[in-house]
Amino acid sequence: KQEVTQIPAALSVPEGENLVLNCSFTDSAIYNLQWFRQDPGKGLTSLLLIQSSQREQTSGRLNASLDKSSGRSTLYIAASQPGDSATYLCAVTSYDKVIFGPGTSLSVIP
Amino acid sequence: DVKVTQSSRYLVKRTGEKVFLECVQDMDHENMFWYRQDPGLGLRLIYFSYDVKMKEKGDIPEGYSVSREKKERFSLILESASTNQTSMYLCASSDAKNRAGEAFFGQGTRLTVV
Repeated sequence: KQEVTQIPAALSVPEGENLVLNCSFTDSAIYNLQWFRQDPGKGLTSLLLIQSSQREQTSGRLNASLDKSSGRSTLYIAASQPGDSATYLCAVTSYDKVIFGPGTSLSVIP
Repeated sequence: DVKVTQSSRYLVKRTGEKVFLECVQDMDHENMFWYRQDPGLGLRLIYFSYDVKMKEKGDIPEGYSVSREKKERFSLILESASTNQTSMYLCASSDAKNRAGEAFFGQGTRLTVV
């Protein structure tokens, strides 16, 4: 059974710092991995999608990498801003199901 | 602009009521999903459907049923609502023909059962 974990559970950083969020999954048979952002009480906003054949994707200050063989992905956020404060979720598509990690709650302090 | 639309943002129902949560997508996706999200437990899959009239149980189907009569619509049914079903419910869809493609989410329905 596919399981997804995320470390750390919570992170608090001063504005301007670069940071890394980690995601691990147990079964390397995935079609893709997505990173989402969720603001309190809201739905999910897709940030980046990495297909299983890809190694990384970039969008603005965000860069996500994927190492399928080791079951790991990282989300790198450059020059963090207070507006980046949210919960970040990773999810893998495995056997037609989308399975989520528990999320990392990020707080960027002005 | 692609869209997954959930019929209500907030819903308050009484214990024992039958509750329908509706989800509509306009992307002609085959796959549709219902999740619930609870603090400390993350997102958990309740049911999913990979075609009209097809459904599969997810990790926590107890107390729920689903209906997929049309490709674009996937309904989650609480036959007799209970207080432990108070939660945020999220619907999603994805393209079965492109398994590596993105999953799209609705804005969520916050259900409170009193």
